[in-house]
Amino acid sequence: ILNVEQSPQSLHVQEGDSTNFTCSFPSSNFYALHWYRWETAKSPEALFVMTLNGDEKKKGRISATLNTKEGYSYLYIKGSQPEDSATYLCALTTDSWGKLQFGAGTQVVVTP
Amino acid sequence: KAGVTQTPRYLIKTRGQQVTLSCSPISGHRSVSWYQQTPGQGLQFLFEYFSETQRNKGNFPGRFSGRQFSNSRSEMNVSTLELGDSALYLCASSPDGQPQHFGDGTRLSIL
Repeated sequence: ILNVEQSPQSLHVQEGDSTNFTCSFPSSNFYALHWYRWETAKSPEALFVMTLNGDEKKKGRISATLNTKEGYSYLYIKGSQPEDSATYLCALTTDSWGKLQFGAGTQVVVTP
Repeated sequence: KAGVTQTPRYLIKTRGQQVTLSCSPISGHRSVSWYQQTPGQGLQFLFEYFSETQRNKGNFPGRFSGRQFSNSRSEMNVSTLELGDSALYLCASSPDGQPQHFGDGTRLSIL
């Protein structure tokens, strides 16, 4: 069982502020790192899939980086908006098949 | 393009009963994975089916089983329900494993 850890567990951000949080994972047997956004009463939405060390991905105001050698990924939200309020999940895969091993998530609350 | 459809959305059962949950993947997707989320726990992987074969299995007791049909639709069955089986069950589909697109889930409550 792989240990995917996310920190912090939750954070409160003022509208307009930028924030970031971490996903840590074992660096051995790495295939891909996935980020999902999960809003209340909705289904998890895929944000990024990263496979290569040094990968950087961006989607609007959200971006992510990957360091497979040291086993971590950062997710950044620039200029947070209330609609960014959600739980952000990272998940590790060790092969191309469909077994995602999720961290517990970081709950982000953006207040106006 | 229709998304992943899970039925039913809500279900109430009593201990000892069995339950079957259904998942219709996105058209053309051959991989279907199932996950469980209980209060205070992250998403736990149950199993993955690809072209009607179980390809991956998580650490759950044998009471949890599944199958996939030739049209890629999948069902998950839980027998002899226990209180601890109360959870949100999510299904995700993919062309061949990743990336995965999730359904809205089935919330199962055991009384």
